[in-house]
Amino acid sequence: GESVGLHLPTLSVQEGDNSIINCAYSNSASDYFIWYKQESGKGPQFIIDIRSNMDKRQGQRVTVLLNKTVKHLSLQIAATQPGDSAVYFCAENMGYGGATNKLIFGTGTLLAVQP
Amino acid sequence: DAGVIQSPRHEVTEMGQEVTLRCKPISGHNSLFWYRQTMMRGLELLIYFNNNVPIDDSGMPEDRFSAKMPNASFSTLKIQPSEPRDSAVYFCASSWVDTEAFFGQGTRLTVV
Repeated sequence: GESVGLHLPTLSVQEGDNSIINCAYSNSASDYFIWYKQESGKGPQFIIDIRSNMDKRQGQRVTVLLNKTVKHLSLQIAATQPGDSAVYFCAENMGYGGATNKLIFGTGTLLAVQP
Repeated sequence: DAGVIQSPRHEVTEMGQEVTLRCKPISGHNSLFWYRQTMMRGLELLIYFNNNVPIDDSGMPEDRFSAKMPNASFSTLKIQPSEPRDSAVYFCASSWVDTEAFFGQGTRLTVV
């Protein structure tokens, strides 16, 4: 029979435009969040992280916003380039206490950059 | 550092055979993770270790799966016996406590 896979949300943008990718997380006790980029045939690659005591963090061309009230993360990519085309995942650290890590990933968003 | 190193990159095996996936984490990292990625279920955390000790294996699908970390520089994920539904890309990742995890290139497993 036909297999049914995850339906990845897709964001299609024009080269040079800004991109916003959203993510809802599940655990209000999570205190550390990470955005990853995964290109075809490769492992996830770290982009930017944010801790729960912050609302915003900026990197090179990327900004992460955290809204703890509604358990929402967003990744903003400025001046999107063809090389940004990939699947983007948010991950939350659901570890217990300060000495453990338990990174749980969302389902991902496919970013397609049109030249 | 060469990053997280996984081997083999590709594995094709027959149903019922034992499969062993290997991982060398980044030197100095004290957390190690095994993930499985499929179209059906996305990226699933199977098990993670802190200081070579398994902390949470609740993601391991069944008793056919086992993972070990005999020392800080080596871990294995074993499937015995393998089944076609185990076909997936298996990733190993490592991190220092409460920091980002670095992923290997993955092992693509096909069970026929």
